[in-house]
Amino acid sequence: EAQVTQNPRYLITVTGKKLTVTCSQNMNHEYMSWYRQDPGLGLRQIYYSMNVEVTDKGDVPEGYKVSRKEKRNFPLILESPSPNQTSLYFCASSWAGRGNQPQHFGDGTRLSIL
Amino acid sequence: DQQVKQNSPSLSVQEGRISILNCDYTNSMFDYFLWYKKYPAEGPTFLISISSIKDKNEDGRFTVFLNKSAKHLSLHIVPSQPGDSAVYFCAASAADYGQNFVFGPGTRLSVLP
Repeated sequence: EAQVTQNPRYLITVTGKKLTVTCSQNMNHEYMSWYRQDPGLGLRQIYYSMNVEVTDKGDVPEGYKVSRKEKRNFPLILESPSPNQTSLYFCASSWAGRGNQPQHFGDGTRLSIL
Repeated sequence: DQQVKQNSPSLSVQEGRISILNCDYTNSMFDYFLWYKKYPAEGPTFLISISSIKDKNEDGRFTVFLNKSAKHLSLHIVPSQPGDSAVYFCAASAADYGQNFVFGPGTRLSVLP
């Protein structure tokens, strides 16, 4: 089954404790992206990757890091999480990231930073 | 300032009637628009899209209309079904912006039986 898998689905942690949210896709997609969803703001893009070793900032990259060492994986790293990063996070992928190519989303990771 | 706006946070419609969800954008460089549907505890799923060179695209019960001069698009669902109850996101992209996608805040549609 074609899917985007995120882990963990839920995490409660404390300020400053480094965490990583993993994302893996099995569709051989070139393009992967991370979003955060906040009430009234919709989905905002954090980082995206056009291909292995190619990443770029989205609209809200501050406080986040990403890496794309393999095509299938695109982890999101919070080096020193803060309460304003409490949010619902989605990973997504598509063939090549073109505007006419729908993205496939994971089921989300809800992060609470205390 | 949000580049993609969905000014109705929620909408309730009777089963069998038409649902119309609206989306406005400010950036004239956007050249592709997509609608996604999201159920609770799931990720968004693609519904329908339209290129800026068209003014209408239809897929079954779903039709998207684009008015470029007004920078406005709408999603029509006819007839509405209870299973359509979800949050609908409008998204836009501009190739010149490096495949960065911009989403609206979403509209929660409730279809009442």
